[in-house]
Amino acid sequence: GESVGLHLPTLSVQEGDNSIINCAYSNSASDYFIWYKQESGKGPQFIIDIRSNMDKRQGQRVTVLLNKTVKHLSLQIAATQPGDSAVYFCAENNNAGNMLTFGGGTRLMVKP
Amino acid sequence: GAVVSQHPSWVICKSGTSVKIECRSLDFQATTMFWYRQFPKQSLMLMATSNEGSKATYEQGVEKDKFLINHASLTLSTLTVTSAHPEDSSFYICSAGTYYEQYFGPGTRLTVT
Repeated sequence: GESVGLHLPTLSVQEGDNSIINCAYSNSASDYFIWYKQESGKGPQFIIDIRSNMDKRQGQRVTVLLNKTVKHLSLQIAATQPGDSAVYFCAENNNAGNMLTFGGGTRLMVKP
Repeated sequence: GAVVSQHPSWVICKSGTSVKIECRSLDFQATTMFWYRQFPKQSLMLMATSNEGSKATYEQGVEKDKFLINHASLTLSTLTVTSAHPEDSSFYICSAGTYYEQYFGPGTRLTVT
């Protein structure tokens, strides 16, 4: 069936380096994508979103890239900090109401 | 920003008992809320969509008689895990919002002994 998935389950980076977390999706009908950050024992926290009519969106230290041709989504975190350590999920809204479909998640570990 | 709360944040119960989890939208009205379940080191899986004033819509494989959902007002949805068993131990998360803005609660850790 349709799904959203990630390539890397764990990503370890040095503090100060840039991080790139990837996500593949398979539902071409999806028109809205979101990245969430989840710290241990907490609910997901919104990071950044992008609509399908865009291919790039920037926030504070974060950038989301959308490649609809290959159905690929990425989250770039600049100057990664220890506080960025968490699990990151991509999610898609596929026009089925307000329902979100979550990817498998990538754990980001930042080494001091 | 919009805030969603959950109560309790964690609960331990004995097998066979029922547990109620509350989800509240604190500063906005939510006609639709969502309930997710998350097992350790796994992603969020949608259990059901809670609609104010009507029956919830359950995802395939989720037992509606076991996971009772009530959305009695525009700011409150409850999930009751009936006759809980150890395999129901999980992190339960609710969310509320619209198509482009969905806000998540902090989650409820349920442990069934």
